[in-house]
Amino acid sequence: EDQVTQSPEALRLQEGESSSLNCSYTVSGLRGLFWYRQDPGKGPEFLFTLYSAGEEKEKERLKATLTKKESFLHITAPKPEDSATYLCAGSMEYGNKLVFGAGTILRVKS
Amino acid sequence: GAGVSQSPRYKVTKRGQDVALRCDPISGHVSLYWYRQALGQGPEFLTYFNYEAQQDKSGLPNDRFSAERPEGSISTLTIQRTEQRDSAMYRCASSTTPGGYQETQYFGPGTRLLVL
Repeated sequence: EDQVTQSPEALRLQEGESSSLNCSYTVSGLRGLFWYRQDPGKGPEFLFTLYSAGEEKEKERLKATLTKKESFLHITAPKPEDSATYLCAGSMEYGNKLVFGAGTILRVKS
Repeated sequence: GAGVSQSPRYKVTKRGQDVALRCDPISGHVSLYWYRQALGQGPEFLTYFNYEAQQDKSGLPNDRFSAERPEGSISTLTIQRTEQRDSAMYRCASSTTPGGYQETQYFGPGTRLLVL
């Protein structure tokens, strides 16, 4: 069964304290690994897509990496405005649907 | 430009009533997706369309759920004879091209459905 698992479920950081979020997947024929940010009461907002192991993408304080079994979202020197739920999702070989993890709730305190 | 819009944003209904949820995708996007998101969980796939054709409805929970996109633009998700377990956030997403498993899906704000 296709599955995406995220850890930790919740993470509290002090402003400036770097950390990483994990996304492990067992999606048959994974074609793309997507990261989204979701703020309370809003829809998921696209951040990155990774297509092959070894690929990395960066945006401001965020960097996403991909291996054959998992992806990491690294957050460098986070700020309170980075507080949100971060979702990862896999797209499968034979369809367009995304399989999402449950998300990691990030809280950054000043 | 305008993003994906959904209406209504909130819907409260009584058990047994039918509801229709509307999605207006980003202009020019040919693929449209419906997901359901429970509190504290990621979105769960329901169905998707390329143009007006429904390509995959494997995620629809049962035959009370149906979706259409008759002119290849606006889509309606209909739930008949609603039950309390149908209460959730229903999200719509769209992407630019059909058949593109790598295409980014852009999500709307969702419709919160509450069945009493």
